[in-house]
Amino acid sequence: EAGVAQSPRYKIIEKRQSVAFWCNPISGHATLYWYQQILGQGPKLLIQFQNNGVVDDSQLPKDRFSAERLKGVDSTLKIQPAKLEDSAVYLCASSLVPSVPHEQYFGPGTRLTVT
Amino acid sequence: GNSVTQMEGPVTLSEEAFLTINCTYTATGYPSLFWYVQYPGEGLQLLLKATKADDKGSNKGFEATYRKETTSFHLEKGSVQVSDSAVYFCALGNNRLAFGKGNQVVVIP
Repeated sequence: EAGVAQSPRYKIIEKRQSVAFWCNPISGHATLYWYQQILGQGPKLLIQFQNNGVVDDSQLPKDRFSAERLKGVDSTLKIQPAKLEDSAVYLCASSLVPSVPHEQYFGPGTRLTVT
Repeated sequence: GNSVTQMEGPVTLSEEAFLTINCTYTATGYPSLFWYVQYPGEGLQLLLKATKADDKGSNKGFEATYRKETTSFHLEKGSVQVSDSAVYFCALGNNRLAFGKGNQVVVIP
């Protein structure tokens, strides 16, 4: 079974530029999560999708971050414009059963550096 | 809200030594508790879980017991191997997961 795929693996941009990350969850997984992991900290949930609807985006900085999951499969997370403090690893995870949160499968992450 | 505190700093130990990583939590309600592991170059993986007080989660020789009286979920392994070198995260929640900062474990041959 293929795991969660993410691209790119690494991205370096200057502040005020825009960037987008892509995630392809495990086939059949209805729930998709985006996390932000700043160096030295644990992952923090940014947004959770159930199929193509948003379940929880309470910790998403909506003035600059946006995410979509068209057709309930792939997802894209965008930052526009980026700030220095957005430097982090962005993790995508998916799960089959949304009511069992620990059954999340994580992708390798995208490491973003904002200069 | 829910939060998790892990002991500070990396952990370096010799092969076959005993490993303990402390985790304490603050929570409302009755959340589940988890340990996740991140091996070098790989994504986070669930290591073990406990869903209620006094439950013991175990996997790959690792154990952790859900202690409600001390609000703790310490991770232990009796004899570590070099292959256990990784970053370990304690987490809790029922819907949204709250993660600790993680502890890097380095096992020296």
